[in-house]
Amino acid sequence: SAVISQKPSRDICQRGTSLTIQCQVDSQVTMMFWYRQQPGQSLTLIATANQGSEATYESGFVIDKFPISRPNLTFSTLTVSNMSPEDSSIYLCSVGNDRDSPLHFGNGTRLTVT
Amino acid sequence: DQQVKQNSPSLSVQEGRISILNCDYTNSMFDYFLWYKKYPAEGPTFLISISSIKDKNEDGRFTVFLNKSAKHLSLHIVPSQPGDSAVYFCAAKENYGQNFVFGPGTRLSVLP
Repeated sequence: SAVISQKPSRDICQRGTSLTIQCQVDSQVTMMFWYRQQPGQSLTLIATANQGSEATYESGFVIDKFPISRPNLTFSTLTVSNMSPEDSSIYLCSVGNDRDSPLHFGNGTRLTVT
Repeated sequence: DQQVKQNSPSLSVQEGRISILNCDYTNSMFDYFLWYKKYPAEGPTFLISISSIKDKNEDGRFTVFLNKSAKHLSLHIVPSQPGDSAVYFCAAKENYGQNFVFGPGTRLSVLP
């Protein structure tokens, strides 16, 4: 399966600032997604990163708060904007190549907002 | 409304015995089911999957069973090893959908 590199692996940020998380895959992939895992909870899909067009956001997530870029088939970024302590979570990039194959995940970015 | 449920937050099993992790779902449109394992500070790792046309899938020590009428699936690990200690997530997806819905996870501890 694809090797997924996510940076940074962790960060501590101040309230009101923004953080951009990068996801690099070692091969071209059809689908890229961004998930969030809040403390003690399961994984929740934030959005589908679409190559060359605007991301598709799930209910409860908006572009102004979580802008996403996907300039090509191997790279995507997620920005967490105007952060508050409630944004403290693990953010995970995941990839897949067709609808009936499993997703594979990066190691995640552990974000703490103070 | 949780569409995928894992009612046991934790499970302890003796090394060498069977571990059985359970998952229930409410959405009858789900037709592809997966299990992931997650260690601390790592992303979830895909373990095994099953589509709704089957009721069992095996891969080495791991077997997934699907009971569509009960909307229930389970993961059996035999024999359990201390390295299996991790959080296990059940996930499901609708046909033609892209959104994988995850359960809350079960923390498995395999005791030596």
